[in-house]
Amino acid sequence: SQKIEQNSEALNIQEGKTATLTCNYTNYSPAYLQWYRQDPGRGPVFLLLIRENEKEKRKERLKVTFDTTLKQSLFHITASQPADSATYLCALPTDSNYQLIWGAGTKLIIKP
Amino acid sequence: GAGVSQSPSNKVTEKGKDVELRCDPISGHTALYWYRQSLGQGLEFLIYFQGNSAPDKSGLPSDRFSAERTGGSVSTLTIQRTQQEDSAVYLCASSLVKGNNSPLHFGNGTRLTVT
Repeated sequence: SQKIEQNSEALNIQEGKTATLTCNYTNYSPAYLQWYRQDPGRGPVFLLLIRENEKEKRKERLKVTFDTTLKQSLFHITASQPADSATYLCALPTDSNYQLIWGAGTKLIIKP
Repeated sequence: GAGVSQSPSNKVTEKGKDVELRCDPISGHTALYWYRQSLGQGLEFLIYFQGNSAPDKSGLPSDRFSAERTGGSVSTLTIQRTQQEDSAVYLCASSLVKGNNSPLHFGNGTRLTVT
């Protein structure tokens, strides 16, 4: 069955450094992948979508890569700030044309 | 503009009682999803509404769970005879168009606690 894995341990990064989060998947080849941010007590907020034919996508300080050979997406935040502290979720499409499966998320903590 | 609105934000109920959770999606969004989020778990799909089509109820965990979407807008998720394992955050999301490459817009959820 389709499976997504994100590092369940919190990631602690010093302010100003680059934070890198990983999303691994198995048993299928998604056409794209989405990343969301979730703050405590709030719903997830969409950040970026990257398609299988895009190796890299950028939005301000965010960069996402998508390696279909390794079955992995990396999510980078450059010049990280304490306000970037949140849980980051990746989501991939299922065989249906409307359902997503979700990783459990990685909690990112940026220390001043 | 207004985002997805969910109410109540918190609900504490006794085991065996029924609860109703409400979702008001973004105006004009035809697709509406309900998810359940438990601590340390990925979002669990419950049900999907798209326009006037029959909903996909394949994610509902038992027949105690049901949902309606009236007039293609507001949706209610009903849990009958609540059990302690129903305790979780229930999230509603809407998207502008059908298709799982369309970003989802989430409400802030209803935190349900069954005592």
